[in-house]
Amino acid sequence: EVQLVESGGGLVQPGESLRLSCAVSGFTFSGYNINWVRQAPGKGLEWVSYISTSSGTKYYADSVKGRFTISRDNAKNSLYLQMNSLRAEDTAIYYCARTASDGSAYGVGYFDYWGQGTLVTVSS
Amino acid sequence: QLVLTQSPSASASLGASVKITCTLSSGHNSYAIAWHQQQPEKGPRFLMKLKSDGSHTKGDGIPDRFSGSSSGAERYLIISSLQSEDEADYYCQTWATGILGVFGGGTKLTVL
Repeated sequence: EVQLVESGGGLVQPGESLRLSCAVSGFTFSGYNINWVRQAPGKGLEWVSYISTSSGTKYYADSVKGRFTISRDNAKNSLYLQMNSLRAEDTAIYYCARTASDGSAYGVGYFDYWGQGTLVTVSS
Repeated sequence: QLVLTQSPSASASLGASVKITCTLSSGHNSYAIAWHQQQPEKGPRFLMKLKSDGSHTKGDGIPDRFSGSSSGAERYLIISSLQSEDEADYYCQTWATGILGVFGGGTKLTVL
């Protein structure tokens, strides 16, 4: 069974940092591109970041570029999101999502498995 | 610019059918999309990949009640024999070379 499990969320003050993790199982992690997607309270889905299988390609949404860093450890079957200089508008549930293999040649592709999310709250 | 447009809400009665629409912006009629379901307080779930010709590939365990079709720039999610657990938000997503993550605004389905 494919599983993606996020962790690391919490309450932080504006300007602080947080590191999210996504532990995966049930598939060969090193063979798939992975994304972070977030959802602000009561709002829709917003793509945040993408990383290719070997970490050679990374993309970021303009809203987080320069503040967030995506990384992965294929040996640990884990994905990470380092979030610095956090703002109130970063408050959201953060999901990791796997890019489907048949969409992987085109941009970030489409997402065929999702985690349950971890909540990040940025507030003073 | 590649934009996906969805109506904010839809409703249908228990046991009936409903069609939810996702419209691609001008010039993007050939693009495939993906449909995702998000039940209350849960993470999204992939439903299907839907091509411009209406052919679709569903995710693991998705019931036969869920299907898709296409017409021009419109992509449809059709749910038949509506059940209470189908009450959820439905999002479309598209992708392309040089295009980063694109989601529609979501449609909230109410089962009456």
